[in-house]
This record gives sequence, structure tokens and C-alpha cells, in this order.
Amino acid sequence: GESVGLHLPTLSVQEGDNSIINCAYSNSASDYFIWYKQESGKGPQFIIDIRSNMDKRQGQRVTVLLNKTVKHLSLQIAATQPGDSAVYFCAEKTGANNLFFGTGTRLTVIP
Amino acid sequence: ETGVTQTPRHLVMGMTNKKSLKCEQHLGHNAMYWYKQSAKKPLELMFVYSLEERVENNSVPSRFSPECPNSSHLFLHLHTLQPEDSALYLCASSRSGQGAANEKLFFGSGTQLSVL
Repeated sequence: GESVGLHLPTLSVQEGDNSIINCAYSNSASDYFIWYKQESGKGPQFIIDIRSNMDKRQGQRVTVLLNKTVKHLSLQIAATQPGDSAVYFCAEKTGANNLFFGTGTRLTVIP
Repeated sequence: ETGVTQTPRHLVMGMTNKKSLKCEQHLGHNAMYWYKQSAKKPLELMFVYSLEERVENNSVPSRFSPECPNSSHLFLHLHTLQPEDSALYLCASSRSGQGAANEKLFFGSGTQLSVL
């Protein structure tokens, strides 16, 4: 079956540095991927998505990279700020199926 | 704000109580979802409603009973819960719902439920 996992459960970065959060997926048929951010006391908030026909997509201070060869997804946050401290989830979708979520990585930004 | 509102934010209930969680979305979406979020576990999909019709029920115990009276409102009725049901219950909505590809979910802030 599908599995979405994260290489590291926690990540600490210095304010101003770039952050990279990784995600592995096992279903090669997955064709849509999303990154969510969840702050304490809040629900998951959409950050950025990417379709399988792309390998890179950029947003404001965030970039998602998709490597279908090794079934790997990453989220890069530029110039990390204290407000970026949160749990980050990746999720994958296969066609019309529902989103399947990973367990999350906790990002802590050190001032 | 995401446009999805959940009440109450916190709920403490005994195992013999009956309570309901409420969700309302102001996004004009056609699909609504209930998820369970437990510590160190992935989000677990519980129920999916598309155009007010339940389209998925992921083997959820009958002590959880969903209700979707219209496309903007979703309830989760709780009765005779167990302590292991303590978790954050998240409601979400999406534009089209079941059968739609490349569709993101919009989440509420959740109800933190504690069962004593």
C-alpha cells in the first residue's frame, strides 16, 4: 500500500538560514503532492502543491522539489523566520483517491 | 482564516456522555471531511461527504456518527467514547470532493477532545 514518511521527525535551524524538509513516498502512481504547515493550536494550512508532471515549483520563500525517480519530495524554506516554526506535513494523492498524509516534521527556528 | 470553522475548540467528556462537534465552511465547497489527528500518527481520514452524501467511511467505530445536513455544515456526533478516542478532530473541505484530482483540502482549527 501507500506510505508517506519523513526522513527526520525534528529539524532545528538558525533564523535566516534555509530549511529543507524531506518526504519519501512509495506509490509511484501518485500524481499530486501537497505540503501543509501546522502551527500549535491550528489546523494544517496549505503551503504549496506540485503535480507529477513538474519537478520544481516555487512560491513565496518556499520551493518544492519532486524527484520521481527516487520518489522523494522536499520543501525548501528560504531565510527561515521564527514564524516558520511548525509541523510540516507532506501528502500525496493518486488520481481520484483521497490525500494520504505523512507523520510530519517539527521545524524549530532558533533566534 | 481558512474559511472552515470548528466548534467547540476544546471538549472534555466522560465515556457515557453524548456530544457533537460542529464544522461550517464558508468557501462554497462541495465536499467535507472529518480527520482524526493523534500524536505521532498521520492524519486519519474518518468520513467524506460529497454533495451531502457520504462517500467514504474508513471503518470508523459506530460510536462516531457523522451528519451532513447541507454542503456547508458537518457534524460529528459522539457517544460512549473511549479514552483512546482522545485526539484532535479536524474538519476539512474541498471544492469538488470525491473523484477530483489535484484538489487541496482546507482545514479548520480542530476540536481537541479529551475522553475521561
